[in-house]
Amino acid sequence: SAVISQKPSRDICQRGTSLTIQCQVDSQVTMMFWYRQQPGQSLTLIATANQGSEATYESGFVIDKFPISRPNLTFSTLTVSNMSPEDSSIYLCSVPGRVNTGELFFGEGSRLTVL
Amino acid sequence: GDSVTQMEGPVTLSEEAFLTINCTYTATGYPSLFWYVQYPGEGLQLLLKATKADDKGSNKGFEATYRKETTSFHLEKGSVQVSDSAVYFCALSGGRDTGRRALTFGSGTRLQVQP
Repeated sequence: SAVISQKPSRDICQRGTSLTIQCQVDSQVTMMFWYRQQPGQSLTLIATANQGSEATYESGFVIDKFPISRPNLTFSTLTVSNMSPEDSSIYLCSVPGRVNTGELFFGEGSRLTVL
Repeated sequence: GDSVTQMEGPVTLSEEAFLTINCTYTATGYPSLFWYVQYPGEGLQLLLKATKADDKGSNKGFEATYRKETTSFHLEKGSVQVSDSAVYFCALSGGRDTGRRALTFGSGTRLQVQP
């Protein structure tokens, strides 16, 4: 399994500001995924971040709102821009396992509360 | 597109009761199927998986069998404990022919086990 560290683990933010979440993995991975878990809801994929290329966003998510960086094979950032209370969620970084059996490993998430 | 449907919760059981959480899916190709668990205040953990039809995944007394004919992957445990109280998510990954590595999640089912 992979060890995934996310920062911050939680934060309280003001409306209209932006926050960048960092994800560090203990091994090199080609793919990284960013998910959102709104309060009491399931996980929704925001985007896939491959090193060396632009992130691929899912329907309903756009780069201007959720810019992603992927500077190397062990690190990625997700920025939540111009936040509103509707952005209050847990944001999770995930990576595939080393053996291609399909599962993903998840960080503990970054819980954002927007006032 | 791919989708996962789970029974709604919360499910409340007494200790040592039998547990079933239903999960059905819609997918193209030959997906792999997973159950993840989220304990209170913790991150998402893989509980068990099955990668092809008729496979049975098992872990910590939980079992689920990949039923292609009914497109189901129901989670069962013969005797639940208070420590099993958590939210359980059914998920699938794209089939090998799709090349999609991200997971699609069900809505989650909260299990509460009372002593």
